[in-house]
Amino acid sequence: KNEVEQSPQNLTAQEGEFITINCSYSVGISALHWLQQHPGGGIVSLFMLSSGKKKHGRLIATINIQEKHSSLHITASHPRDSAVYICAVTSNTGNQFYFGTGTSLTVIP
Amino acid sequence: DGGITQSPKYLFRKEGQNVTLSCEQNLNHDAMYWYRQDPGQGLRLIYYSQIVNDFQKGDIAEGYSVSREKKESFPLTVTSAQKNPTAFYLCASSRTREGSPLHFGNGTRLTVT
Repeated sequence: KNEVEQSPQNLTAQEGEFITINCSYSVGISALHWLQQHPGGGIVSLFMLSSGKKKHGRLIATINIQEKHSSLHITASHPRDSAVYICAVTSNTGNQFYFGTGTSLTVIP
Repeated sequence: DGGITQSPKYLFRKEGQNVTLSCEQNLNHDAMYWYRQDPGQGLRLIYYSQIVNDFQKGDIAEGYSVSREKKESFPLTVTSAQKNPTAFYLCASSRTREGSPLHFGNGTRLTVT
């Protein structure tokens, strides 16, 4: 069983739609990360959070520590949002990172 | 600007040859990591290093070797013992403080034929 599970695996949306990607984890964590991987392969960090909610532009990340669940929302989606979004956690024992398998998002104009 | 540089971006090798992937960071991070990414799978940890001259095996270390002679550099050698070396390899770094974010390089795509 993976320590981090994401859903959906693949997502296609029309430009302008509101998008939600979900992440559940099974280990104790000190932080949860949302990462973005573009077709070229490089990965950038979008959010790191340990409680509550964070917002950057059209992106919002929330976490519920009791339920071990996080969501990434994209408002007013745009084709340039097309990428793979990866949820990762830092365990609270030994500073290890665990990664979900990613959600491939395609936004159609 | 600080960051992580991986080179080359694409690498082609014949089966049976060792190959070394470069990773350099100027973020002054103590911890560095090598991950392997395959289609449909999450990133898997190959090796990590928390400090110069020390490193530990990750989940899939067999067929790989690393060195950490300098804080900035963490090269990965894919040896001929690695049975399925064709993959996308990502190097990352972080502070050792718990909960610090990971910074990634742009990756090296290795193809072995």
